[in-house]
Order: sequence, then structure tokens, then C-alpha cells
Amino acid sequence: RKEVEQDPGPFNVPEGATVAFNCTYSNSASQSFFWYRQDCRKEPKLLMSVYSSGNEDGRFTAQLNRASQYISLLIRDSKLSDSATYLCVAPGGADGLTFGKGTHLIIQP
Amino acid sequence: DVKVTQSSRYLVKRTGEKVFLECVQDMDHENMFWYRQDPGLGLRLIYFSYDVKMKEKGDIPEGYSVSREKKERFSLILESASTNQTSMYLCASTGGLGIGGYTFGSGTRLTVV
Repeated sequence: RKEVEQDPGPFNVPEGATVAFNCTYSNSASQSFFWYRQDCRKEPKLLMSVYSSGNEDGRFTAQLNRASQYISLLIRDSKLSDSATYLCVAPGGADGLTFGKGTHLIIQP
Repeated sequence: DVKVTQSSRYLVKRTGEKVFLECVQDMDHENMFWYRQDPGLGLRLIYFSYDVKMKEKGDIPEGYSVSREKKERFSLILESASTNQTSMYLCASTGGLGIGGYTFGSGTRLTVV
């Protein structure tokens, strides 16, 4: 099983809708999780950390499910500007972290 | 805000050339990383460094080397560029125990012809 897996999408979602996607991880001892956002031809930028108790920042909610070993990202009231690729980061790899390959999100007007 | 600066946005080099990619960060971060990103393969770690003069191999170090003579600067070296090293190269840094809270540079798109 790969260390970090994401559905590549694309997820095509109408503006204003709620969208959620998951990221599964294989290292059960994992402590640190993050979501990054990457726009086309740009560098990844940290979106939010994922805490055991969940984390909410405006329209974005990140949650951790240790029993099933996945993290999730929920976007409410989606905007056109939310169109991007969303990368999850979980422990694994040479430096202790592995990036998922990303989920491509397209918000349609 | 932390700023990570990569010296070139686009580079075109010939097969066999020695290539230097430079990365500078301005927030006194201990940890610096070099990744490459390719379609369908995602971000892959090449090398990283936790301190001056220290370097550690990442997941795909073959064909690359690094140099960290000063805390703020982390250089990636392609000893003899090959076409399969055509890629987007991203430098990142983070401080102390901020593992995962990376700040990335804007990337260097390298084409080897």
C-alpha cells in the first residue's frame, strides 16, 4: 500500500456547493498532517494543519480519522478561486513526510 | 513572511552540462529541502539538510548532489544533466520543529535538451 493516497480527480463542482475529499495514509504512528494548495504552475502553499480534534478555518474544515487512517478536507460555499490542486502531507519518506499526488478541484460557474 | 527565493524560473540546459540550482531563504530556517515535481508522480524528495554542511539523501538522490555552506543557501547540483531530469524543481524550508509547515520557492522549470 502506498504511503499517502489521494483521488486525483478532477472533481467538478458548481460554485456554492460543498465538496470534500480524503487522503489515506499507511503509517499508523503518524502525528503530523497538513493540507497544501497548489495553483497551476505555482508552488504549493500551506492551507492548514490537521489536528486530532479537527481544524476549521473559515469555509475550510480538516479532520483526522485515526481509526480508518485518513484525513479529509471539506470546502463549504465553494468559490471559483478555490479551483486548484490540493495536496495532503502525512508522515513517510526519507525526511519523515510524504506528499500525496494531489486532488484536482474545478469550481464551475 | 518567510521568503524562499529560487534563482531561476526557467532554465534550458544541454545533456551532460553541470547545472546549479540555487535557493535562498531569509528566515534563518534550519531545514531546507529540494523536491522535483512531475505530472502523475507528484512531489518527490531529492535531498534535504538540517544544518549547515549537513545533507541527507531523500527518496530519489541519484544524479544529484547538494551543498549547504551557509544556513540561508541550499544548492542543488546536477553533475551531468540528462533528459530524464527535465522537471519542475522546488526548494522548501522550515524552522525547528515545524515539520511539514514548509514554505516553498516559486520553482525552477528545468528543460534538458
